[in-house]
Amino acid sequence: SAVISQKPSRDICQRGTSLTIQCQVDSQVTMMFWYRQQPGQSLTLIATANQGSEATYESGFVIDKFPISRPNLTFSTLTVSNLSPEDSSIYLCSVGTRGQRDTQYFGPGTRLTVL
Amino acid sequence: KQEVTQIPAALSVPEGENLVLNCSFTDSAIYNLQWFRQDPGKGLTSLLLIQSSQREQTSGRLNASLDKSSGRSTLYIAASQPGDSATYLCAGETSGSRLTFGEGTQLTVNP
Repeated sequence: SAVISQKPSRDICQRGTSLTIQCQVDSQVTMMFWYRQQPGQSLTLIATANQGSEATYESGFVIDKFPISRPNLTFSTLTVSNLSPEDSSIYLCSVGTRGQRDTQYFGPGTRLTVL
Repeated sequence: KQEVTQIPAALSVPEGENLVLNCSFTDSAIYNLQWFRQDPGKGLTSLLLIQSSQREQTSGRLNASLDKSSGRSTLYIAASQPGDSATYLCAGETSGSRLTFGEGTQLTVNP
């Protein structure tokens, strides 16, 4: 299994600002993902964080709003830009150790509240 | 596009009861089906993973089954305990290791 930490665990931000969330894994992993969980809803995949190249975004999510970095096999950041109250959610990173057919492990999440 | 549905949305049972949570998916071309547990204010804990070639997986009091042809999975919890109270999520994995989640079943086990 993989141990995943996220920083910050929670934050309250003002409208129009940005928040960068860090995800650190205790071992090298092939796949890293970012998910959003809006209040009372399930998880939605934002993007796949690719090491050394641009992230792959799901429909409805764009790089300008959710820039992602992945400089190595154990670390990734997600920035939520130009915040609005609709961005208030829990953001979770997850990792897969061998790509397909393997259990994915999730970080504890970052709870973002936008005022 | 894969869609995952979970029934019921909420379930309340007395301690000791056996229960079944249901998950259905629209695209049978999944690689695996995973069940997770989410406690309030916390991340997800993986419970069971069923590969597409498998029919079921067991871990302790938990048993998960998968029927790709009908697009269904069930999570069976035996002898439920108050500590089992949480939201249970199922997720189908498709290409690129991407997970599509259901809306979850909120389980309450009453002492």
